[in-house]
Amino acid sequence: KAGVTQTPRYLIKTRGQQVTLSCSPISGHRSVSWYQQTPGQGLQFLFEYFSETQRNKGNFPGRFSGRQFSNSRSEMNVSTLELGDSALYLCASSLRGWTDTTRELFFGEGSRLTVL
Amino acid sequence: DAKTTQPNSMESNEEEPVHLPCNHSTISGTDYIHWYRQLPSQGPEYVIHGLTSNVNNRMASLAIAEDRKSSTLILHRATLRDAAVYYCILSGKAAGNKLTFGGGTRVLVKP
Repeated sequence: KAGVTQTPRYLIKTRGQQVTLSCSPISGHRSVSWYQQTPGQGLQFLFEYFSETQRNKGNFPGRFSGRQFSNSRSEMNVSTLELGDSALYLCASSLRGWTDTTRELFFGEGSRLTVL
Repeated sequence: DAKTTQPNSMESNEEEPVHLPCNHSTISGTDYIHWYRQLPSQGPEYVIHGLTSNVNNRMASLAIAEDRKSSTLILHRATLRDAAVYYCILSGKAAGNKLTFGGGTRVLVKP
């Protein structure tokens, strides 16, 4: 069974631009979460979507947004990029949604964004 | 969100057991303890989770203190492939069941 697929794997942007990252969850998984990983802050939760609705949100500014489509694929968007947005963005999918405390997350390999 | 405290790093010899401690003194009664690990250049992967009783699976064992304020992940026979950052995470309904990762423990396995 195919794992979580994230595209693109690497990208370079300049300050002020915007970026869209894509995540295809494991087939049958309806929940998609997004995380930002940086050397200084570690892994930080961005948001979670289930059945096309945002269910959980982390402490990030409004420049960070996301959406989920009817086929459970998800995209996240970062507008007006700043140097500090350089990070590895990880997507995770799960079979069960945010109400299940024991659910297992399956992570993709991430999209590495560099902002110049 | 309830927080966890882990040592920054640990070393182990190959084929020896590794005991990774985690303190979570502010855990609530319904919080689950999860462990994930992140191998180099990969996303995190699930290892194990538990609530009150000790748990075993093919990857590891989880020993939970009776007062639940600490837990220990046990890798029974470390291999070179087990070199990774191991994260101890609490999740509970009060925080929307989201996983809040801390700094983790970097495990180095020596041949």
